[in-house]
Amino acid sequence: DAGVIQSPRHEVTEMGQEVTLRCKPISGHDYLFWYRQTMMRGLELLIYFNNNVPIDDSGMPEDRFSAKMPNASFSTLKIQPSEPRDSAVYFCASSFGGQGTSGGNQPQHFGDGTRLSIL
Amino acid sequence: AQSVAQPEDQVNVAEGNPLTVKCTYSVSGNPYLFWYVQYPNRGLQFLLKYITGDNLVKGSYGFEAEFNKSQTSFHLKKPSALVSDSALYFCAVRDRVGGFKTIFGAGTRLFVKA
Repeated sequence: DAGVIQSPRHEVTEMGQEVTLRCKPISGHDYLFWYRQTMMRGLELLIYFNNNVPIDDSGMPEDRFSAKMPNASFSTLKIQPSEPRDSAVYFCASSFGGQGTSGGNQPQHFGDGTRLSIL
Repeated sequence: AQSVAQPEDQVNVAEGNPLTVKCTYSVSGNPYLFWYVQYPNRGLQFLLKYITGDNLVKGSYGFEAEFNKSQTSFHLKKPSALVSDSALYFCAVRDRVGGFKTIFGAGTRLFVKA
């Protein structure tokens, strides 16, 4: 089975430009997560969706960041305008929530990330 | 507030020796507990989880973890380390109620020397 697919794998752009990161979750998964990983701050949850609806966006650092999930098989994370401090590896993960009490114990499946460098 | 602590930034072990990567947590109630591994330029991969029952959980690649409720710990172990086990390991916790948010530790880098 295909795992979580992220694109692009690498992105280098200049400060002020718009950046769009893309994610295709595993088919059938109803939860989707966006994380940011840096040496200084570790792994931070930015936002997560359930059934395409944003549930918790408290980790989104600023209004410059936005995320959408127009359907069950696609999500985007956009940064506009980008700044050098946004440089990081951004991960998308998906999970199956399930019904009742069993769903909460399902692990997350991570993509291989997008390494973003803002010059 | 929920938190996860991995007290060691790095663990060094010789190949063939047992390894332990430590994790303690602070979560109300009885959380779900997870271990993930990350290899260079890759996403996190699930290793094992604790839900309920037996305190010793077995997972992928020969890893296991021991849940200790009184010490709120969930240490990762392997009886005999391999060089290929060298990677970054993350402990994670999720409350059984209140959403799907998972708290990850800062990670522990494991070096296994031949």
